[in-house]
Amino acid sequence: AQKITQTQPGMFVQEKEAVTLDCTYDTSDPSYGLFWYKQPSSGEMIFLIYQGSYDQQNATEGRYSLNFQKARKSANLVISASQLGDSAMYFCAMRNSQGGSEKLVFGKGTKLTVNP
Amino acid sequence: DGGITQSPKYLFRKEGQNVTLSCEQNLNHDAMYWYRQDPGQGLRLIYYSQIVNDFQKGDIAEGYSVSREKKESFPLTVTSAQKNPTAFYLCASRVSPGEPTEAFFGQGTRLTVV
Repeated sequence: AQKITQTQPGMFVQEKEAVTLDCTYDTSDPSYGLFWYKQPSSGEMIFLIYQGSYDQQNATEGRYSLNFQKARKSANLVISASQLGDSAMYFCAMRNSQGGSEKLVFGKGTKLTVNP
Repeated sequence: DGGITQSPKYLFRKEGQNVTLSCEQNLNHDAMYWYRQDPGQGLRLIYYSQIVNDFQKGDIAEGYSVSREKKESFPLTVTSAQKNPTAFYLCASRVSPGEPTEAFFGQGTRLTVV
């Protein structure tokens, strides 16, 4: 069964430091994609970064990078040079096919707090 | 501007009533999704649809129903059979299944049973 696990309910980081948010996944489908989203207190979902299962290199988008370890089935998000505005909920998600249809499932999220 | 519109933003329902949440997109996306978000539970998939007139149950479909009569519309009905409907509901869409593209989300509807 498809499953996303985020084991860190909450994380704290000092401003300007880097932080890693953990995500592990479970799927039997060889073709899948992994996403990270940010949800501020306003509730909107903001797309951050995407990694495909066949991508050879780790994805990067500005201060965000994805540490993709396929054998370990992990897709950790690294935020460099944290800013106060990075304080939010962060969700890992996976798309893959199951029985001919494609699901998009999310983890429970990690609440990141950036301290000044 | 293209995007996804959910309405209303806030919705109050009396116990025993059915209520329908609207989700409209003008992105020409094939795939659409409904999620429920509760504190500490993340986003849980209720229903999803990949083409018009076709949809599948997600992980928590009991007490909910959907329709996909038009590509741009994917309304969600919360029926009286849903035991605890108070939650934040998010609708999303993607270009099409299999594409390496992100899902776009609406602003959400906060449903409260009174």
